Amino acid sequence: ETGVTQTPRHLVMGMTNKKSLKCEQHLGHNAMYWYKQSAKKPLELMFVYSLEERVENNSVPSRFSPECPNSSHLFLHLHTLQPEDSALYLCASSQDVAGRSNQPQHFGDGTRLSIL
Amino acid sequence: LAKTTQPISMDSYEGQEVNITCSHNNIATNDYITWYQQFPSQGPRFIIQGYKTKVTNEVASLFIPADRKSSTLSLPRVSLSDTAVYYCLVAGNNRKLIWGLGTSLAVNP
Repeated sequence: ETGVTQTPRHLVMGMTNKKSLKCEQHLGHNAMYWYKQSAKKPLELMFVYSLEERVENNSVPSRFSPECPNSSHLFLHLHTLQPEDSALYLCASSQDVAGRSNQPQHFGDGTRLSIL
Repeated sequence: LAKTTQPISMDSYEGQEVNITCSHNNIATNDYITWYQQFPSQGPRFIIQGYKTKVTNEVASLFIPADRKSSTLSLPRVSLSDTAVYYCLVAGNNRKLIWGLGTSLAVNP
């Protein structure tokens, strides 16, 4: 039990589909993150939210659209993805934004996304 | 940017102590050093965090010299289940989070 739950665990979609990834944290944290992890590459931070406000967007293509309706839930809406977007997408949370403080991040187990 | 450098891979045997060193030459005054462990198809898990000197918890120790330009994660008496990728992350001080490639540790019987 990590305290951060991601659904679905696996997703296969075509390039023209629209799907959403969901993340829920049960830790009472104020900050949430989306990461992309590809084989043989470092974890890439995509988006950071603090108290439902987006505080960081690291040049992510517009085909990825995040949504944070409240401090416990985070979504990543996917549209018209490319084969190179196939990766493990990880959600994390922390008490405060990790880049501004020493708060460690708590990760979910990710969604394995495959684009056909 | 708080860039970190770690060995790409390490090998060990059950029962041995494993030390993984991370270099972070441009660490800033307000930065903390955090180590994570990741198993395949899972997210990283927090292991230990420190600012200076030595920190110890139930699973590991973290050694940080006075200049803080490096840190060493020490895993006592590793077992097969410690086979994983270990990441060193330097964060704080309002800077972007930059993850390295991590160290892939293989523990052999």
